Amino acid sequence: EAQLVEYGGGLVQPGGSLRLSCAASGFTFNNYQLNWVRQTPGKGLEWLSYISGSAHTIYYADSVAGRFTISRDNAKNSLHLQMTSLRIDDSAIYYCARMSRTAWYFDLWGRGTLVTVSS
Amino acid sequence: QSALTQEASVSGTVGQKVTLSCSGNSSNIGSFTVGWYQQISHGAPKTVMLGDSLPSGIPDRFSGSKSGTTASLTISGLQPEDEADYYCSTWDYTLGGHAVFGGGTKLTVL
Repeated sequence: EAQLVEYGGGLVQPGGSLRLSCAASGFTFNNYQLNWVRQTPGKGLEWLSYISGSAHTIYYADSVAGRFTISRDNAKNSLHLQMTSLRIDDSAIYYCARMSRTAWYFDLWGRGTLVTVSS
Repeated sequence: QSALTQEASVSGTVGQKVTLSCSGNSSNIGSFTVGWYQQISHGAPKTVMLGDSLPSGIPDRFSGSKSGTTASLTISGLQPEDEADYYCSTWDYTLGGHAVFGGGTKLTVL
């Protein structure tokens, strides 16, 4: 069964850094495009970043461009999000989401990891 | 403000048919297929529709369609377990390319 499991969330001070990871299993990892999506409690879903299967193509939302870096390790079936210059409004649940091979939508989600930015 | 527009709330009774809509423009829904995601009690999103295709394990009372720049998710024979928040998303080719979401629809089963 295909599965995504995020980890690495936690409490961090404003201005700090944190690295999230997403472990994938049950599918051919390098065949799929992956994304990070976040959700502030009580609010909607916000797309953050995309990375192609080969990692040659990367996109970021304006809200995180220049502060967050997406990467992947196809040998270890893992996706990462390096977050720097964290702000209070970056506090959210962060989801790893797989993009369908045939269209630009998400066909598999992880359970999320909580990031809290607070002093 | 979300790039895609969804109703804030929709309600229906058990057994009823309800339709949720998702409106965008030519650079997103008009050009790409739409996905629909169910989120129950703030849990992780679950994909319930990929364009007009049902993912494995999703009951066939769910169906999807698109006309121009508006996509729709229809639930025929509403069940209590369908009560959830529903989000739509697709890709948008402006600004170099990015995914966009709707603001979500809270579906209440009366």
